[in-house]
Amino acid sequence: EVQLVESGGGLVQPGGSLRLSCAASGFTVSSNYMSWVRQAPGKGLEWVSFIYSGGSTYYADSVKGRFTISRDNSKNTLYLQMNSLRGEDTAVYYCARDRVPAAGPNYMDVWGKGTTVTVSS
Amino acid sequence: DIQMTQSPSSLSASVGDRVTITCRASQSISSYLNWYQQKPGKAPNLLIYAASSLQSGVPSRFSGSGSGTDFTLTISSLQPEDFATYYCQQSYSTPYTFGQGTRLEIK
Repeated sequence: EVQLVESGGGLVQPGGSLRLSCAASGFTVSSNYMSWVRQAPGKGLEWVSFIYSGGSTYYADSVKGRFTISRDNSKNTLYLQMNSLRGEDTAVYYCARDRVPAAGPNYMDVWGKGTTVTVSS
Repeated sequence: DIQMTQSPSSLSASVGDRVTITCRASQSISSYLNWYQQKPGKAPNLLIYAASSLQSGVPSRFSGSGSGTDFTLTISSLQPEDFATYYCQQSYSTPYTFGQGTRLEIK
C-alpha cells in the first residue's frame, strides 16, 4: 500500500528548531518529486517546499533561508528541517508525493495525515 | 507569484444539486490546475488533475474544465459525503499556490 506517515511535530519556542520526518512505503521517495504543504489553524493550504527526484529544491518565500527539505534514500524518508521558527509557522504540516507525468502538469496524489507544529512561548 | 482566486468562498446546497466552483489564475497557467477535497481534520484528497483528468477512484460526478486562466469544478449531483472544502492549485510555476478554498455546506 502506498502510504506517507509524518512525525516530529510538537511545541517549540519562537526562534527554535524542529525536524519533521515523512516515512514512505509502497514507493521510492528518491524516484519521485516530494512536497511539504502546511495549513495554519482555520486557514487554507500553503505550499512550502519540494524536492525533485534529481535533488533540486524549491521553497516558498515565507520559509526560504529557514527551512531545508532533504531525503534519506536508505530510509525512504523525506525531511523538513525548520529553523528560526516563528508564530506564523504554526500549522499542520503535510508531506505529499508530487506525481510528474511524462507530459503535462504535476499533481500531489498521495498525502500523509499531517503532523502539528506549534510555535509559542 | 501566481494568485489563485476561487469563488464562491462558501456555498450552501442540497443533496442532489448540481454545483460549480470557479477558480481564476492571475496569469495563464495552461492546464496546470489541480483540484483537491478536504474534510475537517483530514488531509487533502486529489480529485482532478491537469484541469480535467479524473483521479483514479474519484466518483464520476466530479468533473473539471478550463484552461488558461479560468477553471471550474462541477459536482453533477451532490452526495452527503461531498460536503467539504475544495481547493484549486496551480502547478505551472513555483510557488505552487492554492486558492483560498470553497466551503460547501449542507442547506
